[in-house]
Amino acid sequence: QSALTQPASVSGSPGQSITISCTGTSSDVGGYNYVSWYQQLPQKAPKLMIYEVSNRPSGVSNRFSGSKSGNTASLTISGLQAEDEADYYCTSYTSSNTVVFGGGTKLTVL
Amino acid sequence: EVQLVDSGGGLIKPGESLRLSCAVSGLTFSDAWMCWVRQAPGKGLEWVGRIKSKGSGGTTDYAAPVKGRFTISRDDSKNTLYLQMNGLKTEDTAVYYCTHDSSGYYSFHYWGQGTLVTVSS
Repeated sequence: QSALTQPASVSGSPGQSITISCTGTSSDVGGYNYVSWYQQLPQKAPKLMIYEVSNRPSGVSNRFSGSKSGNTASLTISGLQAEDEADYYCTSYTSSNTVVFGGGTKLTVL
Repeated sequence: EVQLVDSGGGLIKPGESLRLSCAVSGLTFSDAWMCWVRQAPGKGLEWVGRIKSKGSGGTTDYAAPVKGRFTISRDDSKNTLYLQMNGLKTEDTAVYYCTHDSSGYYSFHYWGQGTLVTVSS
C-alpha cells in the first residue's frame, strides 16, 4: 500500500487560512469516509484533529475542518495561530482492512 | 482520563528480539482494538499492526515490513498491550507508539507517549 500524498510543506500568516491536501486512490481515500488528520508537535505524540473526514473530537478547535472530494481529502485551518505550527498527517482506511498514512506536511506560521 | 504508557524500548543489536509494552487505563481495555504505530527518526508515521478485542475475535493484522517478525498480543487481565519484535533490523529503529483504534476503522483518539527502539551494531 503506497503512502498517501501530502505536500511537504505549507505556510501562512497569522489569521489566514491554509489547506493541506491528502491524495490517495479509490482503494483508500476515495472508497471510504474514514480519513483522519493528526497534528504532531515536536517531540510529542500525534493528536487526532479530524476523524471520519470531517468530525472533530471534543476539545479540538472549530478552526480545524476536514472535507473530501474523490480521492483527495483536505484539512483546512482557519484563523491561523502560531500554536498551529506543527506537522500534520492524514490517514485512510484501505480496502485491505489496514490503514495508510500520508507522508506528512510541515506547517509554518510566518 | 484515558492513559496509554509505552515502555520497553532500548538499544539492541540487529537480529535480536525486544518486547514493548503499553499499559492502558481509563477505558475498557478488553473491548478495545489497539494498534502500534512507529516513526523513524526525522520521518513520518507508519502503521505497524492492530489487534482486535477478544470479543471481536482477537485477530491481528500487520504491515508488510513487519509481517512474520512482529507479533501483537494482549493481556486483558493486566490491561496491557504488547509488541514482540524478533529479527530486528536497523530500519526498525523508531519511536513506537501504542494507540487506541476508537472506531474499528483506524481513528486513533488516544496515543501513548512513545518508546524509542534503536537497532544498531
